[in-house]
Amino acid sequence: DGGITQSPKYLFRKEGQNVTLSCEQNLNHDAMYWYRQDPGQGLRLIYYSQIVNDFQKGDIAEGYSVSREKKESFPLTVTSAQKNPTAFYLCASTWDRLAGADTQYFGPGTRLTVL
Amino acid sequence: SQQGEEDPQALSIQEGENATMNCSYKTSINNLQWYRQNSGRGLVHLILIRSNEREKHSGRLRVTLDTSKKSSSLLITASRAADTASYFCATVSQAGTALIFGKGTTLSVSS
Repeated sequence: DGGITQSPKYLFRKEGQNVTLSCEQNLNHDAMYWYRQDPGQGLRLIYYSQIVNDFQKGDIAEGYSVSREKKESFPLTVTSAQKNPTAFYLCASTWDRLAGADTQYFGPGTRLTVL
Repeated sequence: SQQGEEDPQALSIQEGENATMNCSYKTSINNLQWYRQNSGRGLVHLILIRSNEREKHSGRLRVTLDTSKKSSSLLITASRAADTASYFCATVSQAGTALIFGKGTTLSVSS
């Protein structure tokens, strides 16, 4: 069963904590992306990775960190430096390293709430 | 760095009616994509239209692209309650490294 998975579905964080959101794909895609979505808003790009061991900041990278040690995995850490982390986080992947050249496949999302 | 802007922000129709939503963008593009998002879920790709195409069909979906006006439209014919979702257009960033999404049109289809 091919696809892109995210875990957990819901995550609660206390202020000052770091939390890590998981994103795994078995589609053999080169490029992976993390987006943040706030209520009634579009998606904003946090980080992206076009190849293993390389990643780039998106529009709102402050307070977030990522790693890409394996092709299948692109975890996102929300650090305590992110002042307003409550949001819906979406991970996506695509064949082509050149964004927009092909369909992006999205995971089901993780809803993060700060208590 | 928002590229696409959907219009209207919200649309409410009855089952069986057609739904039209529009997307305007700012810079030249190679292609434009439309995605759908059911409440609380990930996005699903609907259709990709290339800059040299003017119209594309997929089932009940019809997408048009007017590069001179920098705009695209998505038409859903004979809407069903299951079409209730948010619809987003996406274009490529100027660096070509990521998709830029608009804020979306929220479609509500009532039976």
